Amino acid sequence: GAVVSQHPSRVICKSGTSVKIECRSLDFQATTMFWYRQFPKQSLMLMATSNEGSKATYEQGVEKDKFLINHASLTLSTLTVTSAHPEDSSFYICSARVQPTDTQYFGPGTRLTVL
Amino acid sequence: KQEVTQIPAALSVPEGENLVLNCSFTDSAIYNLQWFRQDPGKGLTSLLLIQSSQREQTSGRLNASLDKSSGRSTLYIAASQPGDSATYLCAVKNGAGSYQLTFGKGTKLSVIP
Repeated sequence: GAVVSQHPSRVICKSGTSVKIECRSLDFQATTMFWYRQFPKQSLMLMATSNEGSKATYEQGVEKDKFLINHASLTLSTLTVTSAHPEDSSFYICSARVQPTDTQYFGPGTRLTVL
Repeated sequence: KQEVTQIPAALSVPEGENLVLNCSFTDSAIYNLQWFRQDPGKGLTSLLLIQSSQREQTSGRLNASLDKSSGRSTLYIAASQPGDSATYLCAVKNGAGSYQLTFGKGTKLSVIP
């Protein structure tokens, strides 16, 4: 089956710094990838839709200048959390859409802790 | 706006028991519904996907049903095992043209040996 990887799996950073998370589709090409955020005991919330070669589409309430998304190739999307604050600490999960079935395959997630 | 609710939030059962997890959604105009498994600190593994035209899907000891008109789905796990312990998430997709999945908060299942 389709495999999606994320790197890093865990990251701890100081408040005010920026952190980049990578999402890769390993054995397929994905024109569309998705970034989700999951707080403890909460459901996954879609943050943004990442489209290869074009600007990402952000969900309401998600700051595009804070969460920078770059989908530069058909197998890689990156999420950069800029000027991170403790409230940004969360579990970030990406998924990649496979056509024509339109199935989403999820990465293993990245645990971000901002001190 | 679609909302997905999962009950119970947590469930603990002895090994070998059959169990049912529930999922309800407010907008019945869904395209499909999917059940996922999430282990602690890990990503999601797709278990079963039911299209809106289907009533149920089966995979091994898992059976998922869908009653679109009442906005409900159930995940039945037969002969539970300790390895089934995880959080089970339900997600619905609205419309063929929409990529977005709306997730429930999940049910945390513990199967006691």
